[in-house]
Amino acid sequence: QKEVEQNSGPLSVPEGAIASLNCTYSDRVSQSFFWYRQYSGKSPELIMSIYSNGDKEDGRFTAQLNKASQYVSLLIRDSQPSDSATYLCAVHTLSGAGSYQLTFGKGTKLSVIP
Amino acid sequence: DTEVTQTPKHLVMGMTNKKSLKCEQHMGHRAMYWYKQKAKKPPELMFVYSYEKLSINESVPSRFSPECPNSSLLNLHLHALQPEDSALYLCASSQDRVSGGAGETQYFGPGTRLLVL
Repeated sequence: QKEVEQNSGPLSVPEGAIASLNCTYSDRVSQSFFWYRQYSGKSPELIMSIYSNGDKEDGRFTAQLNKASQYVSLLIRDSQPSDSATYLCAVHTLSGAGSYQLTFGKGTKLSVIP
Repeated sequence: DTEVTQTPKHLVMGMTNKKSLKCEQHMGHRAMYWYKQKAKKPPELMFVYSYEKLSINESVPSRFSPECPNSSLLNLHLHALQPEDSALYLCASSQDRVSGGAGETQYFGPGTRLLVL
């Protein structure tokens, strides 16, 4: 059973602070990693994708990947109340049928306090 | 443009009804997906179509019947649903399903909120 683990939270940070969201995965052969943001009652929205070890920055968001530790994280700098949402970590994993599919963590709920 | 559209936005149906959910994308993507999401849970994969052929069926009950009429359209036909089938039904698409790279990135539609009475 391929697993993706996230701390369910809630994670509360003050406005302007850095929010750090973490995710671990069990499938060593995974090559593609994604962070989705989901507002309550809405569909998941892609925030970041990362494929190589190291950091990838996009505006206030930085994704970090360490394949040796099977760990991926998302940093949100200068957090805003509009960042309050559930963040889903998703990993491409090899299914039993020999094809790849997206496995989601349970999500971390982030609250940014004004 | 990374838009996936879904209709209807909301659907209420009785257990004896037949209804269909529709999904459309015009990004030239060749893989399309149906997911089911219950409150406070992550999306659960139901079906995958790759190049208009059903490639994954995650042991979904036969009261859910997918259809891919062409590379841009995906339907989910619903019949004799149960109240526990009430959920947000999400459609997604990706460029393809080849491992390793941006082609796997899945883009989600806004979803259909289904309530079964």
